[in-house]
Amino acid sequence: QKEVEQNSGPLSVPEGAIASLNCTYSDRGSQSFFWYRQYSGKSPELIMSIYSNGDKEDGRFTAQLNKASQYVSLLIRDSQPSDSATYLCAVRGDDKIIFGKGTRLHILP
Amino acid sequence: EPEVTQTPSHQVTQMGQEVILRCVPISNHLYFYWYRQILGQKVEFLVSFYNNEISEKSEIFDDQFSVERPDGSNFTLKIRSTKLEDSAMYFCASGRNMGNEQFFGPGTRLTVL
Repeated sequence: QKEVEQNSGPLSVPEGAIASLNCTYSDRGSQSFFWYRQYSGKSPELIMSIYSNGDKEDGRFTAQLNKASQYVSLLIRDSQPSDSATYLCAVRGDDKIIFGKGTRLHILP
Repeated sequence: EPEVTQTPSHQVTQMGQEVILRCVPISNHLYFYWYRQILGQKVEFLVSFYNNEISEKSEIFDDQFSVERPDGSNFTLKIRSTKLEDSAMYFCASGRNMGNEQFFGPGTRLTVL
């Protein structure tokens, strides 16, 4: 059974600080990794995708991948109240995406 | 910007009734998916669909479920005889290539009474 593990939180971060979200996965053969943001009652919204080891930056977001450690992370710089949401780590397994349970992020004004 | 759309936004049905959930994927996408999310739980894969056939399905997707692409734009999920435990948000997603990003629609909230 392929698993994606995340700390459920909540993670509380002051406005303007860096939020760090982490995820581990069980399938060593996984090749595609995604971070989605989900507001309460809404659908998952794709923030980042990452396919190779290292860092990938997009605006205030940086995704980091370490395949040897089976670890994916998401950094959010200059956190804003609008970043308060649940962040879903997702890993491609064959022709589907396997989601973690998500980490609730709360940005403190 | 193109997006996935879903109808209806909320469906209420009686146990044992059939429901059809509808989706219009992004127009140049070739891969289509259904996921569900029971309240407070994680997003779960149901089925993937490519080239007019199912490419993968989960244990959840039993004989009560079926998918269809009846025309060039719609993608539907049918539940033949709904159970109480089918109550969930159902999300349609589409992607241009297998393994790349999947984009989700707004979801249909299914309530089975």
